[in-house]
Parts: sequence; C-alpha cells; structure tokens
Amino acid sequence: GDSVTQMEGPVTLSEEAFLTINCTYTATGYPSLFWYVQYPGEGLQLLLKATKADDKGSNKGFEATYRKETTSFHLEKGSVQVSDSAVYFCALVNTGFQKLVFGTGTRLLVSP
Amino acid sequence: DVKVTQSSRYLVKRTGEKVFLECVQDMDHENMFWYRQDPGLGLRLIYFSYDVKMKEKGDIPEGYSVSREKKERFSLILESASTNQTSMYLCASRGEGGYTFGSGTRLTVV
Repeated sequence: GDSVTQMEGPVTLSEEAFLTINCTYTATGYPSLFWYVQYPGEGLQLLLKATKADDKGSNKGFEATYRKETTSFHLEKGSVQVSDSAVYFCALVNTGFQKLVFGTGTRLLVSP
Repeated sequence: DVKVTQSSRYLVKRTGEKVFLECVQDMDHENMFWYRQDPGLGLRLIYFSYDVKMKEKGDIPEGYSVSREKKERFSLILESASTNQTSMYLCASRGEGGYTFGSGTRLTVV
C-alpha cells in the first residue's frame, strides 16, 4: 500500500539556520503531497501542498518540490525562527477516496 | 473557515469503561475521519465516513466503533477501554478545500 517515510527527529537548530526535513513516498499512480505542521497543544494545520510532478508548494518561507523521479518531497526553509518549533508531518493522498497517509512526524526544535 | 470541534481536550477513563469521543464540523462536509496519533508512529486512520450512517474501517479499527447519525457529527466509541488505547485522537473532515483537523483529544486510560 501507499506509505510515507520521513527522517527521524528531533531536529535541533539555532535560529536563522537552514532547515531540511526529508520525505520520501511509495504510491501507485500520481498522489498529491502535503506537509502539515502541529504546534504544541494544537491540531494539524496544512503548511503546503503539491499536486503534480515538479510542482513547488510554498508557505511562510517553507518550500517543498514534488520530485517524481526520486519519489521525494523534502521540506526546506532558509532561515528558521524559534516560532517554527513544532512537529512536521509529510503526507500523501492518492486517487480514489483520498485518504491521507502520514509519515511518522519530525519534531523541530529551534533555539535562540 | 471550516471548524472541526472535538468536545474534550483531555479525558481520563478507567479500563473497561465505554468511552465516547465526539467531533462536530460546521461546513456540511460529507467525509469525516478519526485518526490516532502516537509518538514514532505518526497518524493512523481508525475509521472514516463518507455519508450519514456510512462507515468504513481504516488501518487500525480493532477495539473501536463509530457512529454517524447526523452529517455534522462523527463519534468514536471505545467499547471497553484498555490501557493500549491511551493516545491522542484527532478528528478531521474533508471538503473541496482539503482536510481540516480538530485540536485533538488526549485520552488516558488507567
């Protein structure tokens, strides 16, 4: 079945550092790809998405590019802030009923 | 904005109790979902519903049931709570704009 693999955490960075969180997927067909963020004590919020190969999703300084050849959707940000500390989930939705399939989540800790 | 409201943020229940987790959405979405979130496992789908009185098992339905009597409300039921059901439970609904998640219910079974 469909699956998402993302890097183990926690990722610990200093403020203004460059962030990469790796995500790869296995799926039949042409899934849509998502990054969700969960701030402490809250539910999940959609951060960005891409619906087809070579699409780039972006929001709040975060970016991810849908790479079909490497089945990847890595999350990047050029300069992280303390307020970016959260858990980040990579996810996909395939054709058909479109159930979201999640990775295990990566906790990001940003220190001043 | 779509709102998905889960009735309790924190619950503590005893082993063997019947537990109801309630979820209400306000945008007339047909599709609703219950996920369970555990560290290192991410979110796993328990049950989903694509219409009133319709339900489908997700990836980990054992020990759970659901009820969808009205379009806006989707309830998750633990028939006889066990300690391995201690977890964070997230409800979501899906419309044309995508998924919206509730804030979650952290359930502890003692």
